Amino acid sequence: KAGVTQTPRYLIKTRGQQVTLSCSPISGHRSVSWYQQTPGQGLQFLFEYFSETQRNKGNFPGRFSGRQFSNSRSEMNVSTLELGDSALYLCASSLAGRVAFFGQGTRLTVV
Amino acid sequence: SQQGEEDPQALSIQEGENATMNCSYKTSINNLQWYRQNSGRGLVHLILIRSNEREKHSGRLRVTLDTSKKSSSLLITASRAADTASYFCATDKGGSEKLVFGKGMKLTVNP
Repeated sequence: KAGVTQTPRYLIKTRGQQVTLSCSPISGHRSVSWYQQTPGQGLQFLFEYFSETQRNKGNFPGRFSGRQFSNSRSEMNVSTLELGDSALYLCASSLAGRVAFFGQGTRLTVV
Repeated sequence: SQQGEEDPQALSIQEGENATMNCSYKTSINNLQWYRQNSGRGLVHLILIRSNEREKHSGRLRVTLDTSKKSSSLLITASRAADTASYFCATDKGGSEKLVFGKGMKLTVNP
């Protein structure tokens, strides 16, 4: 069974640009969550999608958004990038109430 | 914001020794999970313990949960150099897949 796939693995963007990250969950998993990991703040929850609906949202500005498609694949978008958005973005998929499986992450660098 | 706090924040041991790491959390939980992360890559799930369980084993791993003290411990027995990684505890409240992570603990196992 294929694991959680995140693309791209690495990304360099300039301040003010926008970026879209993609996550393909494990087949059959309907829940997809996104996390931001930085050295200073650690792992912070961004949002969770279940059956194309955002079920939970973390404490991030509106520049961070996401969506989930009917095949459970998910994308997250960050607009008007700031230097502080440089981070490892992790996606996780799960069956309800069970183990969350994480992808390898997308390393975003904003210059 | 982090709910969990791992203790100690860093631990260095010799191969063959046991490693114990502790996690404290603040609110009631549904499940507590432990994850491992190698060098800023994706998180690998180690073990999940439910709030109505007190102890669980998986291979060289033993996790305990004390809901009255809001704490958990992870014991890795007979450690190996390959166990060198950062370890995180994560909790959920049920009803959604949102995980709240601790700050993590860096374990170094010297050969």
